[in-house]
Amino acid sequence: GEDVEQSLFLSVREGDSSVINCTYTDSSSTYLYWYKQEPGAGLQLLTYIFSNMDMKQDQRLTVLLNKKDKHLSLRIADTQTGDSAIYFCAESESSARQLTFGSGTQLTVLP
Amino acid sequence: EAQVTQNPRYLITVTGKKLTVTCSQNMNHEYMSWYRQDPGLGLRQIYYSMNVEVTDKGDVPEGYKVSRKEKRNFPLILESPSPNQTSLYFCATRWGGNTEAFFGQGTRLTVV
Repeated sequence: GEDVEQSLFLSVREGDSSVINCTYTDSSSTYLYWYKQEPGAGLQLLTYIFSNMDMKQDQRLTVLLNKKDKHLSLRIADTQTGDSAIYFCAESESSARQLTFGSGTQLTVLP
Repeated sequence: EAQVTQNPRYLITVTGKKLTVTCSQNMNHEYMSWYRQDPGLGLRQIYYSMNVEVTDKGDVPEGYKVSRKEKRNFPLILESPSPNQTSLYFCATRWGGNTEAFFGQGTRLTVV
């Protein structure tokens, strides 16, 4: 099956930028997503990018997609303590039957 | 209010005792899925359904059953739970392919 990989942990200082990276294997991925999971809660969609785009910006969030290297990143500017959560990268295969998730990156924001 | 409701939120059971985790959505979504979340493994899809009476296996279907008799409900059935099914389970729904997935709050299952 398809594979999506992320590093498990990231710590940053409050006010710094965070960059969470993701790699995927499915060359036919059409949509790539970032979901956020706060403690004790389900996942919520943060943002997504079409595979024919290189970049998408939404307030403090910037998504970069390098389709050649199958690399996706999420940059959070001015990271706040409320951004502490697990962030999941996910890709939707061309048939769109399912979402494939990465392992999740636990972001810890230090004061 | 758009909702995906799972019940129960927490469940401790013994090996071999059949159980059902319910999932209900009020958004008229066609796609529904069950995932399990385990540390370091992310979310892995158990089963999915693209419409009423249409279900298919995901990546880790062994030991689970599902049914989709009505559009709004997609129960997950463990006929004979085992300790390796101890996990956090999520139901998710989508309107269609390549659209946002909405998740339930999760069901923490412990099998002893």
